Amino acid sequence: GESVGLHLPTLSVQEGDNSIINCAYSNSASDYFIWYKQESGKGPQFIIDIRSNMDKRQGQRVTVLLNKTVKHLSLQIAATQPGDSAVYFCAEMVGTGGGADGLTFGKGTHLIIQP
Amino acid sequence: DGGITQSPKYLFRKEGQNVTLSCEQNLNHDAMYWYRQDPGQGLRLIYYSQIVNDFQKGDIAEGYSVSREKKESFPLTVTSAQKNPTAFYLCASSRSDRGEEKLFFGSGTQLSVL
Repeated sequence: GESVGLHLPTLSVQEGDNSIINCAYSNSASDYFIWYKQESGKGPQFIIDIRSNMDKRQGQRVTVLLNKTVKHLSLQIAATQPGDSAVYFCAEMVGTGGGADGLTFGKGTHLIIQP
Repeated sequence: DGGITQSPKYLFRKEGQNVTLSCEQNLNHDAMYWYRQDPGQGLRLIYYSQIVNDFQKGDIAEGYSVSREKKESFPLTVTSAQKNPTAFYLCASSRSDRGEEKLFFGSGTQLSVL
C-alpha cells in the first residue's frame, strides 16, 4: 500500500475557499483511481473516480486531475463547507477485469475547514 | 452507508476469545471485502470473496477467518491467533463485472481488547 501516498497529512482551509488535496502514486501501470471521504467514526464514502484515459473529471463541487507524466492525482473541492471536514484518501489499481481486490489505499489527508 | 450494514458498532474482545463481526449487504453485489484500518495507515485487505462459497486471502489474513454461505452476508471472525486485533474494521462490496471497481463501504466496527 505504500505506493500511494499524500503530500500533506493535514490541510486547513477557510470556509468558502477552494481546497486541493494531493496524492502521489508509484505504479505507472495503475489505470484506475478513486477518491474517498471518511468522516470520523464512519465508513468511507465514494467521491469521484477517474481512469487513465482521462486527465480530468468533474463532479458536484469536486474535480479530480490526473497527471500520468509525474504520477500525481489531485482532488479539488470548490467553495468548501463545514461538512467537507473529513479525511480524504485516494486509491489506485491496475484494472483487472472486475472487482476491487487490487485497490491500494493511501493514508489520507485530514481536511479541516476553518469558519 | 450504501446498503451495507455492519454490526456491532463497538466490540470488545477478551484474551483468547474469538469474536465475529457481521456484514450484510442488500445491493446484490457479488463481491465482498474486509479491510482493517489503523490510525495513520491506509486500508489493508484482510479477505475478499467474489462469489458465494469462495473467498481469497488478502494482504493480512493471518489470525482472521471468513465464510460466504449467502450472497448477502460475509462475516469476519477475529481469532485468538490475531495478537493485535484493536482496529477499525470495514466491510465493503462491489460489483464484479469488468470495469466495476467502485467499493461501497459499511459504517465500520471498532474492535478493542479488554
